[in-house]
Amino acid sequence: DGGITQSPKYLFRKEGQNVTLSCEQNLNHDAMYWYRQDPGQGLRLIYYSQIVNDFQKGDIAEGYSVSREKKESFPLTVTSAQKNPTAFYLCASRIMGGEGSYEQYFGPGTRLTVT
Amino acid sequence: SQQGEEDPQALSIQEGENATMNCSYKTSINNLQWYRQNSGRGLVHLILIRSNEREKHSGRLRVTLDTSKKSSSLLITASRAADTASYFCATDKVRGSTLGRLYFGRGTQLTVWP
Repeated sequence: DGGITQSPKYLFRKEGQNVTLSCEQNLNHDAMYWYRQDPGQGLRLIYYSQIVNDFQKGDIAEGYSVSREKKESFPLTVTSAQKNPTAFYLCASRIMGGEGSYEQYFGPGTRLTVT
Repeated sequence: SQQGEEDPQALSIQEGENATMNCSYKTSINNLQWYRQNSGRGLVHLILIRSNEREKHSGRLRVTLDTSKKSSSLLITASRAADTASYFCATDKVRGSTLGRLYFGRGTQLTVWP
C-alpha cells in the first residue's frame, strides 16, 4: 500500500518546546516538500528537498528545520523560535523528471496546536 | 509567495448545478494543476494542463487555460454533495523555479447542497 504517511494526526505542545513532525513515503519519490496551511492563506512552502542530504528554504523557513538522511523520510522540526506555530502541516512528494512527474502527492497532514 | 489566486473565495450551489472556479497567475508557466482538499485532509491532484494546451477534460471536470490572460478555469459539471471541498490551483514557473516547487493559491471553498 503505497503513499505518504504523516504522524501524528494531532499534536499538542507547550510554548517554548521543539516538536518534530514525521513524514514518510514509500513511493520512491525524489523530491519532498513541507507546507504550512492557515485558514484563508492557502499553502505556504516551508522547506523542500530533491535528494538525500540536500534541502532548500521555502518562503517561510524561519523557525523551522528539516533533515533528509533517507530518501523515504523528511522530518520537520518546529522550533521554539517559530512565533506562531499553531497550524496544519502538510508533507508532499513527487518524482523528478519524466512524463507525469509534475504531480505532488500529499500526506493526510498534522494539526499542531501550541499553547 | 503565491503565484495563483482563485476566484471566488467561496461558492455555494445546489446539486446538479455546474460549478466554475477561476485562477489567475502572474508569471509564465510550464503547466497549471488543480487540486482538491476535503476538510482537514491532504490535497489530491485532479488535473494538469500544459502551457501549450487550451482545454482538458477528465470525467466531470473541464479545465481551460488562457496563457495570454494568465488565467485558468475549472468547471465541475452536474455537481454532487460529495464535491464539497476546497479547490486550489498550483503553478510552476518557467524561470526562477527549482526542484519542482509549486505555487498555490488560497483556494475556492465549494459547498454543494443536496
